[in-house]
Amino acid sequence: EAQVTQNPRYLITVTGKKLTVTCSQNMNHEYMSWYRQDPGLGLRQIYYSMNVEVTDKGDVPEGYKVSRKEKRNFPLILESPSPNQTSLYFCASSLSGGWGNQPQHFGDGTRLSIL
Amino acid sequence: GQQVMQIPQYQHVQEGEDFTTYCNSSTTLSNIQWYKQRPGGHPVFLIQLVKSGEVKKQKRLTFQFGEAKKNSSLHITATQTTDVGTYFCAGIGTYKYIFGTGTRLKVLA
Repeated sequence: EAQVTQNPRYLITVTGKKLTVTCSQNMNHEYMSWYRQDPGLGLRQIYYSMNVEVTDKGDVPEGYKVSRKEKRNFPLILESPSPNQTSLYFCASSLSGGWGNQPQHFGDGTRLSIL
Repeated sequence: GQQVMQIPQYQHVQEGEDFTTYCNSSTTLSNIQWYKQRPGGHPVFLIQLVKSGEVKKQKRLTFQFGEAKKNSSLHITATQTTDVGTYFCAGIGTYKYIFGTGTRLKVLA
């Protein structure tokens, strides 16, 4: 089954403790992206990757890191999480991005709470 | 920077009534996508509009792209309880996606 898989689905942690949210897709998609969703603000793009080893900042990249060493995986790293990063996070992938005009497929989301 | 606003933020309708959400961009869009997110779920792609003035229909849903490619709308005819959720538009730049703030639709049976 074609899907985008995120782990963990839920995480409660403390300020400053490094964490990684994994994202994997099995559709051989070139484009992958991370979003955060906050009430009243919709979905805001954190980082995106056009292909392996090619990443770029979205609208809200501060406090986050990503890497794209393999086509299927696009982990989101919070080196020193802070309470303002408490949010619902979505990973998404598409065959190609931007001008390529392909639909994005979203994972089920990861709810992060940083105390 | 580029912004995409959606109105209204919330809409409650009686089942059978029509519903419309509007999406407005601060800049001209190359194309626009629409997504639906059910409560507790993830966004699911509905449609993409590319051409100026384009109109597309999916059963009871009608999508329009403005002539100037700076606005778009989604109209649902005769809403059903299955239409409940949040509808997002997404403007697409060069590899970047700018999502609207979303319109949350509640349908009262």
